[in-house]
Amino acid sequence: EDKVVQSPLSLVVHEGDTVTLNCSYEVTNFRSLLWYKQEKKAPTFLFMLTSSGIEKKSGRLSSILDKKELFSILNITATQTGDSAVYLCAVEVQGAQKLVFGQGTRLTINP
Amino acid sequence: DGGITQSPKYLFRKEGQNVTLSCEQNLNHDAMYWYRQDPGQGLRLIYYSQIVNDFQKGDIAEGYSVSREKKESFPLTVTSAQKNPTAFYLCASSIGQGASGANVLTFGAGSRLTVL
Repeated sequence: EDKVVQSPLSLVVHEGDTVTLNCSYEVTNFRSLLWYKQEKKAPTFLFMLTSSGIEKKSGRLSSILDKKELFSILNITATQTGDSAVYLCAVEVQGAQKLVFGQGTRLTINP
Repeated sequence: DGGITQSPKYLFRKEGQNVTLSCEQNLNHDAMYWYRQDPGQGLRLIYYSQIVNDFQKGDIAEGYSVSREKKESFPLTVTSAQKNPTAFYLCASSIGQGASGANVLTFGAGSRLTVL
């Protein structure tokens, strides 16, 4: 059974801290890995990763994929209160035409 | 603006009643999806549709039904057979079959269903 596991499930830090969110996966036929941010309702797309070792970056957020060890990390530097959200990791399975989601990590940034 | 519209945002239902959640997209996407979100469990796939008049069961389809009569619309009915229907329901769409990334999802704002 295809599985995506995120850790930690919950994280509380102070503004300005750097955080690392983890996503590991076991799927039959990997195609890509995606990160989403969910603040209140609709998740919004952050990154899609397909190749190992190539960092994707957007402002203070960055992500990298390790296809050998089957995991990805999402880094957020100099966190702000607006980064508070649930971060979702999902894996696209080749031929399945669907995404398998992890449980999400709830990140809270305190001022 | 292109996007996905879900309605209603909040819905209360008595036990034993069917309820239909609406999902409309104007992104010209071929594929549409329904996910259920419960605390601590991430998103679980209920049903998905790659083309009009065709749909497939996801991981938790029991107690739900869908239709796809138009490309833009993918309503979800939560039937009385669904044992624990109180949840947050998210509709999504994607370009569909094809190159990698064709399944990058765009989500609606969700519908929160509470069964009293």
